[in-house]
Amino acid sequence: DAGVTQSPTHLIKTRGQQVTLRCSPKSGHDTVSWYQQALGQGPQFIFQYYEEEERQRGNFPDRFSGHQFPNYSSELNVNALLLGDSALYLCASSLYAAWVFGPGTRLTVL
Amino acid sequence: AQKITQTQPGMFVQEKEAVTLDCTYDTSDPSYGLFWYKQPSSGEMIFLIYQGSYDQQNATEGRYSLNFQKARKSANLVISASQLGDSAMYFCAMRAIRGYQKVTFGTGTKLQVIP
Repeated sequence: DAGVTQSPTHLIKTRGQQVTLRCSPKSGHDTVSWYQQALGQGPQFIFQYYEEEERQRGNFPDRFSGHQFPNYSSELNVNALLLGDSALYLCASSLYAAWVFGPGTRLTVL
Repeated sequence: AQKITQTQPGMFVQEKEAVTLDCTYDTSDPSYGLFWYKQPSSGEMIFLIYQGSYDQQNATEGRYSLNFQKARKSANLVISASQLGDSAMYFCAMRAIRGYQKVTFGTGTKLQVIP
């Protein structure tokens, strides 16, 4: 049984570009959350999706947007990239209380 | 609002010794869960142990135990018989029990196990 999968593993972009990160939840999980983890910091909550709708949002600008598909997979989109967006982006999925994290996508903005 | 505080940026422990990683928390939610995650250099968050706020006994999972002191709002992780593979970042986290609440993380403790 595959856990949470994320793609791509690594990504390099330049300032001003747009990026899309993808996440497939653990089989049977219907809720997906996205986190940003800057170097040397703990993960920070970006937003959460359930039934294809954004249920909760952290303190992130509108440049960060997302989507959840009918098969529960999810995308994180970041527009107008800034140097400060360089981080590890973690996706987590849940059915009830237990959150399972994926391996993350490491985004570097030059 | 929830807050997790980890005051130890880094810790060293001798192989086969026990180590305690500190965590204090603050929340207004009456029911909550406390977690510890391990993050190796590869980046994946690995779930270690969970403690519910109403659980009467401290949680244990193999070599991991959680020293939960509700009145002091602390949830320290104890790793017994440390192994070289335990070297990693360790994050304390919490979430409210009701609904699909977000997980709030601390800043982490980097544990290095010395042979």
